[in-house]
Order: sequence, then structure tokens, then C-alpha cells
Amino acid sequence: QLQLQESGPGLVKPSETLSLTCTVSGGSITTSSYYWAWIRQSPGKGLEWIGSIYYDGSTYYTPSLKSRVALSVDMSKNQFSLRLKSVTAADTAVYFCARLVERYYSYEGSGYYVYFDYWGQGTLVTVSS
Amino acid sequence: ETVLTQSPDTLSLSPGERATLSCRASQIVISSYLAWYQQRPGQAPRLLIYGASSRASGVPDRFSGSGSGTDFTLTISRLEPEDFAVYYCQQFESSPRLTFGGGTKVEIK
Repeated sequence: QLQLQESGPGLVKPSETLSLTCTVSGGSITTSSYYWAWIRQSPGKGLEWIGSIYYDGSTYYTPSLKSRVALSVDMSKNQFSLRLKSVTAADTAVYFCARLVERYYSYEGSGYYVYFDYWGQGTLVTVSS
Repeated sequence: ETVLTQSPDTLSLSPGERATLSCRASQIVISSYLAWYQQRPGQAPRLLIYGASSRASGVPDRFSGSGSGTDFTLTISRLEPEDFAVYYCQQFESSPRLTFGGGTKVEIK
């Protein structure tokens, strides 16, 4: 059974950099057809996708955060990481890591399914001085 | 950017009743790129439906998804106590970009 676990500081000061790591167990981060993603949820709010990374390092980000965010992968540790710089109180949220499936199908037509199938439990990061 | 609008914001129903949740997109969404999730308080979201209508592994058959184009629906045929939660739709577009709807809370009446 695949498991994802977020780790990192729960408190970050304004203007500093938020850094989180997601450790994947029960499966390899290098398996094809899977991207790895970060999603956040501000208190009492909905879900916001931050960005996704493939094991080869290719990334894509949500436009609103693209100038401040960077994802990376460490294949030797089966981990991927998030760095969000210049944080403000608006970045206070529960941060989830998740596996993003991009699976090809070829019955009744052809194409790709895209969805998040495994999630970490989430970690609360508060931005405050 | 494709915006997903979910309605209603809150659905007040009793156990055993049928729940119908709507997800409307601001532009056409490829059906295979549309998914639904359930989130209980204090938990991570759980995948229910992918490809607009395919149930994920282990999801009870009282959950069903339908729709195409810009209008998608999640139906819970008979609400069980554990189904009272918040539900989100999510889509992928080839920018590439992923977005979630704002969520529908299903609460006990």
C-alpha cells in the first residue's frame, strides 16, 4: 500500500521560505505514469493545486504561485520537496502531497485519465512572526 | 483558465436520501480529466470518481458520476452516516494546469 508523509516546520516567519518534504513508501517515485504533487488548503477553504513534478525533474505550477515555488525530487530517498519563498500570512494552510496519475486508456476511444489517487495526511504550516 | 463552480454550497439531507451535486465548468472539460473527491473533517481528500464516471477502487456503488462537456454530476443514491462530508470536483487542462471546484458540503438535516 502506497503511503505519503509530509514533513517540515509547522511555523515559518513572513518573508522567509517554506520548505516541505514528502516521503513516499510502498512504491517507487520513479514509476512511469505518475507525477507527484503538492496541494494546499487554507483554513476553512477549498483545495488549491500548487504544482506537480515527474521523477525526471520536469515540473508544472499553478500560475499564481509560479514565481515563488520550486519542486524537486530526490530519487535516492524516494522523496519530493516543495519550496515556497517570500511567504505571507496568506500562505498559511494545510499542505498535502499526493500522487497524480496520468494513465492512458484505449477502450471506447483513447486518451488519458488524470486524477490524484493517494494523499498524505497533510501538515499545517502557519506563517507568523 | 477553466473555473469549476460547484452547487449548492451546502446540501442538507437525511440519511437514506439521495444527494445530487453539480460541478459546472467555464469551458469544455474532457471527461477523462474530471474527478470527484470526498473530504471528511481533519482528513485528506479521498478519490471517489475519475474519468467523470468511473468509481475508484473500494468506493461503494451508491456513488456515481455522470456528465460531459461543461456539466458534471456526482450522485449518492442513499446517504449513509459516513457520507456527510465535503465533496470536490477537479479537472485537468493541457496548459498544463489542475483546478478544484469550491466544494459542496453535505450535512445532516
